[in-house]
Amino acid sequence: GQNIDQPTEMTATEGAIVQINCTYQTSGFNGLFWYQQHAGEAPTFLSYNVLDGLEEKGRFSSFLSRSKGYSYLLLKELQMKDSASYLCAVRDSNYQLIWGAGTKLIIKP
Amino acid sequence: DAGITQSPRHKVTETGTPVTLRCHQTENHRYMYWYRQDPGHGLRLIHYSYGVKDTDKGEVSDGYSVSRSKTEDFLLTLESATSSQTSVYFCAISQGQGSETQYFGPGTRLLVL
Repeated sequence: GQNIDQPTEMTATEGAIVQINCTYQTSGFNGLFWYQQHAGEAPTFLSYNVLDGLEEKGRFSSFLSRSKGYSYLLLKELQMKDSASYLCAVRDSNYQLIWGAGTKLIIKP
Repeated sequence: DAGITQSPRHKVTETGTPVTLRCHQTENHRYMYWYRQDPGHGLRLIHYSYGVKDTDKGEVSDGYSVSRSKTEDFLLTLESATSSQTSVYFCAISQGQGSETQYFGPGTRLLVL
């Protein structure tokens, strides 16, 4: 079967750094996406990785290791508005997105 | 932001009644998707469309049907709603299937009593 694993919930302090991990087992791999979803809102695109390595975009970075079936999202200089769920999704061999259940990130002052 | 709207945004219905949700886009994207989101689960694909009148089933298609008669509209119908279909339904669009990002509509909260 196909499986995406993420921690259910994480807590971090404003101004700090947090790393959200995602491990996957899918039938094929055609890229990995990270989305942010605020409570009651739609998911919004954050990053896309298809090759191994680190992609940096402002305060957010995403890392991929295809051989380990592993990715992480790194959030720096945390702000209260970063309190949200972070969704990891893998595009499989049929080009369908397989989604993790999401990691709820709580930021404390 | 991609121009995607969903209607209605909230709906309460009774078991056994038919329900139709609408997704409308102004981006002229080829692909459209319907997902449901439930606590403890990732987004799950119900159906998707890769062109006018071209649709295919997703992971959780039982009890749902779709239609796409125009590029901009993708309808999701619950033939006879059940309590297990209480969920938040998201429509998404993308230009292609390769590396293309999916953009999501605001969602429809459906409660089946």
